This record gives sequence, C-alpha cells and structure tokens, in this order.
Amino acid sequence: GAGVSQTPSNKVTEKGKYVELRCDPISGHTALYWYRQSLGQGPEFLIYFQGTGAADDSGLPNDRFFAVRPEGSVSTLKIQRTERGDSAVYLCASSPLRASSYNEQFFGPGTRLTVL
Amino acid sequence: DQQVKQNSPSLSVQEGRISILNCDYTNSMFDYFLWYKKYPAEGPTFLISISSIKDKNEDGRFTVFLNKSAKHLSLHIVPSQPGDSAVYFCAARASSNTGKLIFGQGTTLQVKP
Repeated sequence: GAGVSQTPSNKVTEKGKYVELRCDPISGHTALYWYRQSLGQGPEFLIYFQGTGAADDSGLPNDRFFAVRPEGSVSTLKIQRTERGDSAVYLCASSPLRASSYNEQFFGPGTRLTVL
Repeated sequence: DQQVKQNSPSLSVQEGRISILNCDYTNSMFDYFLWYKKYPAEGPTFLISISSIKDKNEDGRFTVFLNKSAKHLSLHIVPSQPGDSAVYFCAARASSNTGKLIFGQGTTLQVKP
C-alpha cells in the first residue's frame, strides 16, 4: 500500500501484559513518529526517529515504553507491564527526508489498545 | 500545560456557508502550523499549513490565517460541504524541534445538507 500501515488495528490485553505495536511507514520516508491519542484529546507526541536513531523520545511517559527502528524502516512500539491508563489509540506517522519545518507528517490509521 | 488550544469542541454549519475553526497557542517558539482532518477509524490527514513568515495561506476552499501577535490561527472553509464533516486538529511545531507536533484537542465540524 502507499500509505502508513499499522498492525494490529485493535489490541485487547490484560493489565500487566506486554504488547508490541508495529508501524510500516511510507516507502522511502526517513522520519517516523509515534503519537498517542486518548478519547476526546488530540494526538500526543511520544517519540520520533530519524533513520534508525531516536531523535527525540521526550514524550515517552515512563520506562515501560520503548520503541525501535532497527533498519530505518519498520518501527515497533513496545509497552511493558501495561496499565489501564495505557488504553488509547496509538498513531504512527512518517515524513520524507529529514524532519524539517516544512514537512507534513503522514499518519496511519492507528492501533486501538485496550487494557482490561 | 496545553500549548495549543481549540476552545470550541464542536461547530455546526449549513452546507454552502463558511466554517471557521479557531486555534490559540501559547509558545512563541512555534513557527509552523498545520491543520489536520480526521474521520472516524482513520488517522489524521494533512489539510493545509502555514509558516510564521506568512499571515495567510490558501488552497482551494481552505484558507488558514495566522495572527502572530495574538497567537491565534483560524481555518476557513468556503463553501462548506457535507463531506467536510470531521474532527479538525490544529498542530504547531517549533523550529528547534521539528519532529514534534503539538496538537490541540480538536473541533468536530458538522456540515448539514
């Protein structure tokens, strides 16, 4: 597909479990971003990658959250010991070349995570 | 601390009329602003943007106005169409951190036929 894809589209898990959320960016896009959107709120920045390295992870809420992008393409957001407050839609976005002031971000459809 | 605010949670407009969505920001380091549209069960879709060196940017039916002194921007949709019904998010970025978008809470626009 031409757009950003995210899998799974829905994930239900139990409190305390570990989850992985996957993002496939648009082919050739070097910058990749993760956001979290809670009900009634706008997307909240978590982390972004320029190539394989995390350029800014200041939005990760705590050390239970971790993200990787080992080959500079697909990224995985990992959440350990999930809590009910982690329930949200997790959005991934990508942009071409470097993250610059004049680059819009292209979003995927999101993964809806529900922690019971 | 909400750096980008959309104070109107919802807006209802008649088809063919103008829709005006507002956004305020507090961080004077923001120098690039974007509007995204979001339909249910889809990710946000980029609509239009404006750099802080401009005060207006137009693209078809969509125009964004920026008032830097008031730290305010608005999105005008003319004429509004039923397909424009969606949630609209304002977002801002600082040149010092170009990867991080700060979003407002969103405004749900309903365009009635």
